[in-house]
Amino acid sequence: DAGITQSPRHKVTETGTPVTLRCHQTENHRYMYWYRQDPGHGLRLIHYSYGVKDTDKGEVSDGYSVSRSKTEDFLLTLESATSSQTSVYFCAIKAQQGADEQYFGPGTRLTVT
Amino acid sequence: QQQVKQSPQSLIVQKGGISIINCAYENTAFDYFPWYQQFPGKGPALLIAIRPDVSEKKEGRFTISFNKSAKQFSLHIMDSQPGDSATYFCAPRSGGSYIPTFGRGTSLIVHP
Repeated sequence: DAGITQSPRHKVTETGTPVTLRCHQTENHRYMYWYRQDPGHGLRLIHYSYGVKDTDKGEVSDGYSVSRSKTEDFLLTLESATSSQTSVYFCAIKAQQGADEQYFGPGTRLTVT
Repeated sequence: QQQVKQSPQSLIVQKGGISIINCAYENTAFDYFPWYQQFPGKGPALLIAIRPDVSEKKEGRFTISFNKSAKQFSLHIMDSQPGDSATYFCAPRSGGSYIPTFGRGTSLIVHP
């Protein structure tokens, strides 16, 4: 599993509340990613990071922000959760530069009521 | 605009049959062509991948076929088993990018 953990694994929250999801890795990989997975849409990239404090937007970044103050942690924040953000969120890492595959975490199921 | 088109969306196969999933792409800069497998409640995991210098790669019952001129690659699962029931994603990537482009996934069900 490439030492990737996500927390929490399940969360139910109300519309308008802030939510932070955490991705933690133990192997000092440079590249980290946040995806959301929804039926019929596959995996869509929200944000990614290529180093500490170096982040960039993916295709569905509206309503999300990220932070990476340490190599091992990549945080995804929903500033004001909406029902459209109900989804399963996956964190992924890519190993050292030149390696090709991504390793995914176990996912966080988020429900916004 | 969808850069990667994966088909079919769902597939039902009998045990022992052949499962075939296709991925068509537009970006000719892609040079890494993987298939990921995802079981319910789990994250995707790399199943098999190919580079464009070969036309086919086989690992056990799983084979990737690559057609550069047609800009498509496919996953073949021989002697399909119920344990192969999962969602499969293609996710090609270009060498200059560390962002793969995921297909929308194919849900495979293998009946016993």
